[in-house]
Amino acid sequence: EAQVTQNPRYLITVTGKKLTVTCSQNMNHEYMSWYRQDPGLGLRQIYYSMNVEVTDKGDVPEGYKVSRKEKRNFPLILESPSPNQTSLYFCASSLGGGAGEQYFGPGTRLTVT
Amino acid sequence: QKEVEQNSGPLSVPEGAIASLNCTYSDRGSQSFFWYRQYSGKSPELIMSIYSNGDKEDGRFTAQLNKASQYVSLLIRDSQPSDSATYLCAVCTSGTYKYIFGTGTRLKVLA
Repeated sequence: EAQVTQNPRYLITVTGKKLTVTCSQNMNHEYMSWYRQDPGLGLRQIYYSMNVEVTDKGDVPEGYKVSRKEKRNFPLILESPSPNQTSLYFCASSLGGGAGEQYFGPGTRLTVT
Repeated sequence: QKEVEQNSGPLSVPEGAIASLNCTYSDRGSQSFFWYRQYSGKSPELIMSIYSNGDKEDGRFTAQLNKASQYVSLLIRDSQPSDSATYLCAVCTSGTYKYIFGTGTRLKVLA
């Protein structure tokens, strides 16, 4: 089944404790992206990747890191999480180099206390 | 700041009616436009994409794009209670491959 998977689905952590949210797709998509969704603010793009080793900032990259070492994986790293990073996070992927239809993972609900 | 604007709603329509959802965007050079449906607590699900001016139909859904006026709309014909959800408009901006989402319009289809 073609899909985007994320792990973990739920995470509660404390301020400053490094964490990684994994994202994997099995559709051989070139473009992958991370979003956060907050009430009243909608979906905001954090980082995106056009292909392996090619990443760029979205609108809200502060406090996040990404890497794209393999085509199928695009982990999101929070090196020192803070409470304002409490949010619902979605990974998405798209065939082609961008500007195409994105398919979303199931989401990761992160709480930072 | 490039923006995508949607009326937050809720937009209430009776079952069987046409629901009309609208979206405006600020970046005149935007190249790709998308409508997603999102049920509460779930991930966005792609409904339609549209890339050129005019109408695009897929089943009960029609997307309309007017680049001169910088708006995109989604019509849902024969609305069903199962269409009740939040509808997100997304735009891929020119020059980069960033996606900007609107905050969504909540649709309620009344049985």
